Amino acid sequence: GENVEQHPSTLSVQEGDSAVIKCTYSDSASNYFPWYKQELGKGPQLIIDIRSNVGEKKDQRIAVTLNKTAKHFSLHITETQPEDSAVYFCAASRGITGGGNKLTFGTGTQLKVEL
Amino acid sequence: NAGVTQTPKFQVLKTGQSMTLQCAQDMNHEYMSWYRQDPGMGLRLIHYSVGAGITDQGEVPNGYNVSRSTTEDFPLRLLSAAPSQTSVYFCASSYSGQGDEQYFGPGTRLTVT
Repeated sequence: GENVEQHPSTLSVQEGDSAVIKCTYSDSASNYFPWYKQELGKGPQLIIDIRSNVGEKKDQRIAVTLNKTAKHFSLHITETQPEDSAVYFCAASRGITGGGNKLTFGTGTQLKVEL
Repeated sequence: NAGVTQTPKFQVLKTGQSMTLQCAQDMNHEYMSWYRQDPGMGLRLIHYSVGAGITDQGEVPNGYNVSRSTTEDFPLRLLSAAPSQTSVYFCASSYSGQGDEQYFGPGTRLTVT
């Protein structure tokens, strides 16, 4: 089955700096890679996703890059703000090619944005 | 739309007791799933359903049963609770189950003593 590794487990940055979270996956058939943000006491919320036919995707201050050859994808948050503080999870699935929406999650990154 | 709702928010059970965690969505989504979240382990898939009357096992199905009699509801049953089932449980749904956005509920925190 799929295995997703996520690093770092904790990340502390100064407000305004950039934050990068990295994930690797093992199943070459995975083609859908979402990122979730989880605030304390709440369920995960999708913030951005990328499919294997795209190398990079941006949405305002967040971006995700995908390297299919290396089986590696990353989340980039620029100009971090205190409200970005949360736990971030990467995930992978085979999506439309089989396996549907069975997501395999990374172990999470606790991001803290300090004033 | 209320989105994905879960009840109860908190529950304490004794070993051997049974209970049902409720999940409902009002978005007419075909795909629904249950995950458990444990410290340091991310979220792991328990069971999922691609439509009413169809369910299948995920990564960690032992000790849990599900059924899907309607599009809206997807209850998770613990037949005989064990301390290892102490966790936070999340229900999620998506429109098609074909690599589209999954919407998560607020979670149920379960403690088994």
